[in-house]
Amino acid sequence: AQTVTQSQPEMSVQEAETVTLSCTYDTSENNYYLFWYKQPPSRQMILVIRQEAYKQQNATENRFSVNFQKAAKSFSLKISDSQLGDTAMYFCAFTEWGSQGNLIFGKGTKLSVKP
Amino acid sequence: NAGVTQTPKFQVLKTGQSMTLQCAQDMNHNSMYWYRQDPGMGLRLIYYSASEGTTDKGEVPNGYNVSRLNKREFSLRLESAAPSQTSVYFCASSEEFKRGEKLFFGSGTQLSVL
Repeated sequence: AQTVTQSQPEMSVQEAETVTLSCTYDTSENNYYLFWYKQPPSRQMILVIRQEAYKQQNATENRFSVNFQKAAKSFSLKISDSQLGDTAMYFCAFTEWGSQGNLIFGKGTKLSVKP
Repeated sequence: NAGVTQTPKFQVLKTGQSMTLQCAQDMNHNSMYWYRQDPGMGLRLIYYSASEGTTDKGEVPNGYNVSRLNKREFSLRLESAAPSQTSVYFCASSEEFKRGEKLFFGSGTQLSVL
């Protein structure tokens, strides 16, 4: 079965500093997609960044970037210049090419950005 | 644009009661989804509708039914609520039913079954 593991239940970072959230996954497939979703206190899930497994180049979105290590099945999220508004739960998610659209989510990492 | 709108935002039921969670999207998306989120867990897929007129089971469909009323609306029904269905329910939509498609989520319905 496919699984997504986020080993850090909680993390904190000072405003303006950099933080990295870890994610590992398990699959026997070669083609898949990986995502990081943010869930702020408002509860609404928001897509932060997406990575296609067949692309070797790491995805970036402004202050957010990933370190995708396909052989190690690792997909970490780096947040640079952390802002108070980055305080949220962060979920790593994964979908296989043939999964009929089902996203498999990790249990989440609660990130607190401190002033 | 409102995006994905869910109603109600909060609901308390007694065991055995029924209710329907409503979801509507105004982005002209073809695909819609229902997820549940339990404490300390990620989201799990209950049902999805790849396109208007179709529905399929997800990972945890037992105890639920869905209706894709039209392209905009996708409802989730609990026929006989159980305490194990206490959860936060999220509706989501995507432009197409393709792997890797971005999902747009509603703000959730917090349901407590006593």
